[in-house]
Amino acid sequence: RKEVEQDPGPFNVPEGATVAFNCTYSNSASQSFFWYRQDCRKEPKLLMSVYSSGNEDGRFTAQLNRASQYISLLIRDSKLSDSATYLCVARDPLTGGGNKLTFGTGTQLKVEL
Amino acid sequence: NAGVTQTPKFRVLKTGQSMTLLCAQDMNHEYMYWYRQDPGMGLRLIHYSVGEGTTAKGEVPDGYNVSRLKKQNFLLGLESAAPSQTSVYFCASRPQGGSNQPQHFGDGTRLSIL
Repeated sequence: RKEVEQDPGPFNVPEGATVAFNCTYSNSASQSFFWYRQDCRKEPKLLMSVYSSGNEDGRFTAQLNRASQYISLLIRDSKLSDSATYLCVARDPLTGGGNKLTFGTGTQLKVEL
Repeated sequence: NAGVTQTPKFRVLKTGQSMTLLCAQDMNHEYMYWYRQDPGMGLRLIHYSVGEGTTAKGEVPDGYNVSRLKKQNFLLGLESAAPSQTSVYFCASRPQGGSNQPQHFGDGTRLSIL
């Protein structure tokens, strides 16, 4: 079982739709979580950190459920420019000096006209 | 502000050849990392460094060596390239501080081993 699991998609949605991605992690020691965005053949870029209380950044909302070891990302009013692969990331503070980031394989989003 | 710069961007090697990938960051970050990304695998940590002169093994270190002689540079070496090392390699850095500090990535090196 992968440490961080995501549905690979692709999710094909019309412009303006709301879409949600889910992610589960198996390492209960993980403390910090992130969503990164990766465009085709480009480097991953931080989209947002995920806080225990949930957090929002414009059209993007991230949620964390530690009891279920589950993270989500909600994108409202999807834009064509949101088309990308979204990577769920967990950090284990107890391994590798707190430097071990575990990446999911990503969920592909395609926003269509 | 260049951020994290990787050189070269692309390279094709023959099995058994050696090469060094260079990562340079101008953000005065303490921590630097080398990852590889393969289809269906996600990014996997090869080696990392928590400061100048220090390096440590990550998840998939075999076949690679690294050096951090200067704070701003982190070199990844392949002593004898193998086809299994065909991949996209990403370097990243982050500052010291809380565990929520994100990593900043370079734009990758695409390496093919024939």
